[in-house]
Amino acid sequence: DAGVTQSPTHLIKTRGQQVTLRCSPKSGHDTVSWYQQALGQGPQFIFQYYEEEERQRGNFPDRFSGHQFPNYSSELNVNALLLGDSALYLCASSLWAGQQPQHFGDGTRLSIL
Amino acid sequence: AQSVSQHNHHVILSEAASLELGCNYSYGGTVNLFWYVQYPGQHLQLLLKYFSGDPLVKGIKGFEAEFIKSKFSFNLRKPSVQWSDTAEYFCAVNQGGGATNKLIFGTGTLLAVQP
Repeated sequence: DAGVTQSPTHLIKTRGQQVTLRCSPKSGHDTVSWYQQALGQGPQFIFQYYEEEERQRGNFPDRFSGHQFPNYSSELNVNALLLGDSALYLCASSLWAGQQPQHFGDGTRLSIL
Repeated sequence: AQSVSQHNHHVILSEAASLELGCNYSYGGTVNLFWYVQYPGQHLQLLLKYFSGDPLVKGIKGFEAEFIKSKFSFNLRKPSVQWSDTAEYFCAVNQGGGATNKLIFGTGTLLAVQP
């Protein structure tokens, strides 16, 4: 039974560039949430996707956008990268939008130079 | 706005010592409470959760937590830690009711257990 998978594992970008991170939810799950974990901090909620629509959003600028595909996988896009965007980006999936607990992936480590 | 405070940022213990990690949250309504653990290089794993009922909840690997509503606290405990418990521990809160599973995390506590 595949858990939550994220790609790539590590990514290095420069300021101003754009990045796309990918997530495949746990088998049978249709809801995907994204979190940003900066160094020394706890994860912060970015947004949640369900039925291919953004259902809830945290306090992140419009530079952060996402998408969910019919197979429930999801992408996180970040435009105009800033040094402060360096973080571990976590994807979590669940059976439905309110279900607990969620299952987390290993994350994508994004470094901005 | 909801928030979670973890007052212990770094904790160093010897094996067999007892552990208590503090967690306080701010939210006046019904909440679901969680403790997650992140071992080095691994993903977040659920240790235990509280939704309702008995305020003393038991989780995996001998961990337990007590929900004290009057103190807005959900402290994590373990009677005797092992070297393998070295990890980062996160307390998290979710607004109860099932409408959303958005989690608010604390800043984490890094636990180092010395053999």
